[in-house]
Amino acid sequence: GAVVSQHPSRVICKSGTSVKIECRSLDFQATTMFWYRQFPKQSLMLMATSNEGSKATYEQGVEKDKFLINHASLTLSTLTVTSAHPEDSSFYICSASRAGGPYNEQFFGPGTRLTVL
Amino acid sequence: GQQLNQSPQSMFIQEGEDVSMNCTSSSIFNTWLWYKQDPGEGPVLLIALYKAGELTSNGRLTAQFGITRKDSFLNISASIPSDVGIYFCAGRYRSGNTGKLIFGQGTTLQVKP
Repeated sequence: GAVVSQHPSRVICKSGTSVKIECRSLDFQATTMFWYRQFPKQSLMLMATSNEGSKATYEQGVEKDKFLINHASLTLSTLTVTSAHPEDSSFYICSASRAGGPYNEQFFGPGTRLTVL
Repeated sequence: GQQLNQSPQSMFIQEGEDVSMNCTSSSIFNTWLWYKQDPGEGPVLLIALYKAGELTSNGRLTAQFGITRKDSFLNISASIPSDVGIYFCAGRYRSGNTGKLIFGQGTTLQVKP
């Protein structure tokens, strides 16, 4: 159990276009999903926390109008990178926490490699 | 953003050797976690620690939650080639699973057969 998927696994787009990344919890309901960004040889940096049915909470320095997050159901959250630029090229990883219980940890998706030309 | 201090940054060891890495923080955490990340993949949870002083094993892996709640270590015994990867510690201030995680900088492990 506790499988998280992401789609697409990699995407290449032109500068100025928007890209949508999906994060799904396949075998459990996730009340909370998290979006991270990871640059080469660096650690994971939290971008935002997403709760089902409510607005996402963004970390300091992350533009909410550029990185649109929608958590429409207990199994799906989406991250849309709007008007992408080369500096947005990165590895985007989501994680999901099971609803209920204090010891249910974050399970991570396999990541999405975004390359903006 | 805030990060934990994780060391060493990288290790290159011989197969069969034991490995130790640790994380320290200036703040108290309620939870310490250890993840492993393979290239091009998301992190996979190895061990979760919830109580100060707690010592937990998962196969050849052993991790401890420091008594001061400001540090944790991970040991890998009898390393094998598939242990290669990046190991991250992560801490959480809040109890429960909805609090955000703070990640260490990672320890890159290479194992020579």
